[in-house]
Amino acid sequence: EAQVTQNPRYLITVTGKKLTVTCSQNMNHEYMSWYRQDPGLGLRQIYYSMNVEVTDKGDVPEGYKVSRKEKRNFPLILESPSPNQTSLYFCASSRSWGGNEQFFGPGTRLTVL
Amino acid sequence: KQEVTQIPAALSVPEGENLVLNCSFTDSAIYNLQWFRQDPGKGLTSLLLIQSSQREQTSGRLNASLDKSSGRSTLYIAASQPGDSATYLCAVASGNTGKLIFGQGTTLQVKP
Repeated sequence: EAQVTQNPRYLITVTGKKLTVTCSQNMNHEYMSWYRQDPGLGLRQIYYSMNVEVTDKGDVPEGYKVSRKEKRNFPLILESPSPNQTSLYFCASSRSWGGNEQFFGPGTRLTVL
Repeated sequence: KQEVTQIPAALSVPEGENLVLNCSFTDSAIYNLQWFRQDPGKGLTSLLLIQSSQREQTSGRLNASLDKSSGRSTLYIAASQPGDSATYLCAVASGNTGKLIFGQGTTLQVKP
């Protein structure tokens, strides 16, 4: 089944404790991105990657890092999480950037205490 | 800067009604427009994708139209059912990275 998977689905952590949210897609997509969803602010792009080893900042990149060493994986790294990073996070992928349908993962609900 | 607006923010209808959700965007230079469904606390399910060169797309009881020149899209749901209750999001892909810009969503409740 074609899908985007994320792990973990739920995470409660404390301020400053480094964490990684994994994202993997099995559709051989070139384009992958991360979004966060917050009440009243909607969905906003954090980082994106147009292909392996090519990443760039989205609208709200502060406090996050990403890497794209393999085509299928695009982990989101929070080096020193803070409470304002409490949010619902989504990974998405598409065949390439531009005019292609984007597929979303199930989401990761992160709480930083 | 591209902005996407959805009206109404919430809608409650009795089962069986036909309904229209509206989406507007400020910059007509888009690659495509996508409609998503989101159930509470869940992920986004893609419903319909309309390329910038297309006028409409249909899937089952759903029909989405796109008028790029006026910056508008509508999602028409025929014969609504309680199972259609969810938040519906529209998003446009634009800019030199093709990122999705989302509206705030319309929360639909279909009452039995």
